[in-house]
Amino acid sequence: GAVVSQHPSWVICKSGTSVKIECRSLDFQATTMFWYRQFPKQSLMLMATSNEGSKATYEQGVEKDKFLINHASLTLSTLTVTSAHPEDSSFYICSARPPSQGHNEQFFGPGTRLTVL
Amino acid sequence: LAKTTQPISMDSYEGQEVNITCSHNNIATNDYITWYQQFPSQGPRFIIQGYKTKVTNEVASLFIPADRKSSTLSLPRVSLSDTAVYYCLVGPDPSSNTGKLIFGQGTTLQVKP
Repeated sequence: GAVVSQHPSWVICKSGTSVKIECRSLDFQATTMFWYRQFPKQSLMLMATSNEGSKATYEQGVEKDKFLINHASLTLSTLTVTSAHPEDSSFYICSARPPSQGHNEQFFGPGTRLTVL
Repeated sequence: LAKTTQPISMDSYEGQEVNITCSHNNIATNDYITWYQQFPSQGPRFIIQGYKTKVTNEVASLFIPADRKSSTLSLPRVSLSDTAVYYCLVGPDPSSNTGKLIFGQGTTLQVKP
């Protein structure tokens, strides 16, 4: 199946700093990628839809100025958590769906564990 | 997107068949039913998808009654490695929509030896 990677797999940062997380589709092109956040023992919460070459679409309640999304190419989307605070500590997961027929499922990255001290 | 309801948790033993039922009373005509599996600290993984009746693959079976207001994921002969959270999602034809997925609470399956 298709492969989606994320980098880094985990990151620890100090409060007030910014952290960038990369999401790559390794063997397919994705015009659309999705970013989720998951707190311990909770479900995945969709944060935003990343669109190649255009602005991201954010879900209600997600601060677009805090979670900057850039989808500069068909294989890479980045999520930058700006001025991170301890409450931003979470598991961030991206996903994408290959555009070709026969791929009705989404493929998820392995996730990035963010810890803000 | 239709809301789904699943049991929060289930226990089973190795070798048993496990059936997880999901309710989706407000499913729309063009909605598909998809199940994902998630292990701790990993991204979800697609298990199976269906529209009506029965779908089977190498991993699981999906049973959908005629009214489509519920669906049952069936895992044959589970092993310890099947311990995970299972999510039922309902949404428009994935081949035509933007691919946006809304996850419900999921069912935590614990398989015991």
